[in-house]
Amino acid sequence: ETGVTQTPRHLVMGMTNKKSLKCEQHLGHNAMYWYKQSAKKPLELMFVYSLEERVENNSVPSRFSPECPNSSHLFLHLHTLQPEDSALYLCASSPQTGGYGYTFGSGTRLTVV
Amino acid sequence: GENVEQHPSTLSVQEGDSAVIKCTYSDSASNYFPWYKQELGKGPQLIIDIRSNVGEKKDQRIAVTLNKTAKHFSLHITETQPEDSAVYFCAASSDYKLSFGAGTTVTVRA
Repeated sequence: ETGVTQTPRHLVMGMTNKKSLKCEQHLGHNAMYWYKQSAKKPLELMFVYSLEERVENNSVPSRFSPECPNSSHLFLHLHTLQPEDSALYLCASSPQTGGYGYTFGSGTRLTVV
Repeated sequence: GENVEQHPSTLSVQEGDSAVIKCTYSDSASNYFPWYKQELGKGPQLIIDIRSNVGEKKDQRIAVTLNKTAKHFSLHITETQPEDSAVYFCAASSDYKLSFGAGTTVTVRA
């Protein structure tokens, strides 16, 4: 365990379903991130939270909705996804925003059918 | 925004040989360059990093070099071992976030 825990590890959902991904960190970090990882592509930053405030939304479709109720927890709510949304979704945390000290979770492998 | 390019996309080396992965970045304001290793079923893990005021850093069998003028940095793995087989990502930090390369799949042949 890296200190960042993601659940579930695997998720299969239909295009009309609603599901949520959960991320929890026990490192005392103030920043949390959602990344999308697709094969042969760079990690795509989706959302950045600093002290529970969203500081960036990288033009992510509204079918992805983040929630950060406190500095230890981060959620990604999913609804009416498309097959091209199938990917590994990674959560990360860091002491502050700025690139230093990133710790990643193991990811949630999402398949949209 | 920052654009990071990484080469090669795949690399196969004989056990004991060296492996080199190269990255270029576009934003001259970037000042921190970490490298991550991702094994199957796991998230990326930091293996070494370098800041813009340093030209080279070494940690046992891995080393990173940075050329700020040319805006490129490289990862060197010496005496490769089977457990070095993984996907390696470079990244560059500007503003408040990391931008990643597309990754290099390294296979170490026994």
